[in-house]
Amino acid sequence: QVHLVESGGGAVRPGRSLRLSCAASEFLFGSYGMHWVRQAPGKGLEWVAVIWRDGSQENYADSVKGRFIISRDNSKNTLYLQMNSLRAEDTAVYYCVRDEREAFFAHWGQGTLVTVSS
Amino acid sequence: QSALTQPASVSGSPGQAITISCTGTSSDVGSYNLVSWYQQHPGKAPKLIIYEDTKRPSGVSYRFSGSKSGNTASLTISGLQADDEADYYCCSFEARATWVFGGGTKVTVL
Repeated sequence: QVHLVESGGGAVRPGRSLRLSCAASEFLFGSYGMHWVRQAPGKGLEWVAVIWRDGSQENYADSVKGRFIISRDNSKNTLYLQMNSLRAEDTAVYYCVRDEREAFFAHWGQGTLVTVSS
Repeated sequence: QSALTQPASVSGSPGQAITISCTGTSSDVGSYNLVSWYQQHPGKAPKLIIYEDTKRPSGVSYRFSGSKSGNTASLTISGLQADDEADYYCCSFEARATWVFGGGTKVTVL
């Protein structure tokens, strides 16, 4: 049973930084690409970022490019999202998601809420 | 990375069939057999119900089916049940090795 547990969410002022973590278990973490997907309150899903299984490549949505950095530590089975220069529109539940053949998302964490407000 | 286009809402009576469309472009939906569909109940994480345009994961009801024609993918729910009332999202891989979701469709069971 794939297990993904996000942490690190909370309230933060605009312009500040926050780092999210996602602890993975019950599967071979280093064999899978990983994504972050977010959902603003009452809104739809938005893909945020992906990192290849060996960390060799990353890709970002235009809305976060240059501000967010996705990374991973395969020795700790952990995925990260460093969020800098946060804006009110970054307020959302952030989900950690396992990649399946670059095709679909079968396993999701429970999400962690980030609130950006002055 | 423009969102895929879905109707905001679709409704149907129990036992009926409904179809949700998802329109993209030749850079996403039309270029790859990589459209997936997700069901989300309030307060819950999304659940995969269709992948690679037409495939159904193990454990997902046969009442859910996917299809695609050109730049438009579709999700059909047959034999509508009360528990099908949820939000539904399509998603596609894009040419730039990014992914894009649809805006979501709220399904109401009358």
